[in-house]
Amino acid sequence: DIQMTQSPSSLSASVGDRVTITCRASQSIRFYLNWYQQKPGKAPKLLIYGASSLHSGVPSRFSGGGSGTDFTLTISSLQPEDFATYYCQQSYSDLTFGQGTRLEIK
Amino acid sequence: EVQLVQSGAEVKKPGESLKISCKGSGYRFTSYWIGWVRQVPGKGLEWMGTTYPDESDTRYSPSFQGQVTISADKSISTAYLQWSSLRASDTAIYYCATSSTSSDIFDYYYGMDVWGQGTTVTVSS
Repeated sequence: DIQMTQSPSSLSASVGDRVTITCRASQSIRFYLNWYQQKPGKAPKLLIYGASSLHSGVPSRFSGGGSGTDFTLTISSLQPEDFATYYCQQSYSDLTFGQGTRLEIK
Repeated sequence: EVQLVQSGAEVKKPGESLKISCKGSGYRFTSYWIGWVRQVPGKGLEWMGTTYPDESDTRYSPSFQGQVTISADKSISTAYLQWSSLRASDTAIYYCATSSTSSDIFDYYYGMDVWGQGTTVTVSS
């Protein structure tokens, strides 16, 4: 199994801040990495696929990077609606999610 | 519009069986995989397995292999997740999800961009 480790597990930030969440794979997954946003009581939403491709309709303040084993999700200027939990997911060999990063308002 | 609609909440006792459903619409159901994801209350997302209706093929996460059965009925564009004997630890929200882009068997490159609304399963004596 490929294991995915996100950091930090939780993060406090303010509106307008730039934040970065990292995700590390236990082995190389090339660029087969997706990012999701989940708000309480809602199904997850796809933000980024293929490590850096923005899913249709997702604001451009979201960006993804990395390849191999190390990846990032960056939000360039936090908006009130961005406070949520974020998950990475490897799609190189079946599917595995990271444990999640809870982004809270400071 | 591609849409997945799941069956309603269930309350069951330990040892009972259960089958929940996920109906696809707005696309060619047989050509796109459907995955199931578990979320235990207050916890993260766990991939359980994926079925590809056109070839009646299913892959399971090692954590769920033998614990659940994933299937699909092409004639009614519906995927299923079933248990033969529920445990209290099966209490969770279960989501189905698919890709509206990738029509290759078990090709997850484009991620899961269409999700059902979730089915809450509560197992309690």
